[in-house]
Amino acid sequence: DAGITQSPRHKVTETGTPVTLRCHQTENHRYMYWYRQDPGHGLRLIHYSYGVKDTDKGEVSDGYSVSRSKTEDFLLTLESATSSQTSVYFCATVSRPLSGANVLTFGAGSRLTVL
Amino acid sequence: GQQLNQSPQSMFIQEGEDVSMNCTSSSIFNTWLWYKQDPGEGPVLLIALYKAGELTSNGRLTAQFGITRKDSFLNISASIPSDVGIYFCAGHNTDKLIFGTGTRLQVFP
Repeated sequence: DAGITQSPRHKVTETGTPVTLRCHQTENHRYMYWYRQDPGHGLRLIHYSYGVKDTDKGEVSDGYSVSRSKTEDFLLTLESATSSQTSVYFCATVSRPLSGANVLTFGAGSRLTVL
Repeated sequence: GQQLNQSPQSMFIQEGEDVSMNCTSSSIFNTWLWYKQDPGEGPVLLIALYKAGELTSNGRLTAQFGITRKDSFLNISASIPSDVGIYFCAGHNTDKLIFGTGTRLQVFP
């Protein structure tokens, strides 16, 4: 699984509190992604990173920020969690952009519940 | 946002039966991928398709890249209990990977 570790695996928090999810990879992959998974929506891209300090928005980026200070770590932050952000969050990596040769490898997921 | 239409949403089959599911889009994709997700885990790649019309097998799984580049199909032959899970299609276009909504498969002995 490309050495991807997500933490925490489970978290319950209250509305309005900040939350940070961590993705750690040991493969020195350049590209990293954060997705959220919700029933009926499949996997939707939140943010992605194409290198240290280089990040960009995905299709559902509102309410989320990310940081990549080291190749191996990609952090997803909810500044003020809302109930609509209750979801399962997946980190993924790929060694280079999808070019017909490489594909995404996913972590095990972080289940977040916002009460 | 852009999504792929995946069907059926769920399937309940008996062990030994064959399974077919598909994914359609209004957009053209350059690559089609099929993933399987086990409960409590992240999706794992099953098959990748890179050319229109391509037919690729992985054991009991066979997937096809539609000739129009707007659809893809996944077949599972002689299903077994460990085939249970959610199957996702994904289409790649330029720098974006778009996922389908998933097909939940239940296999009864």
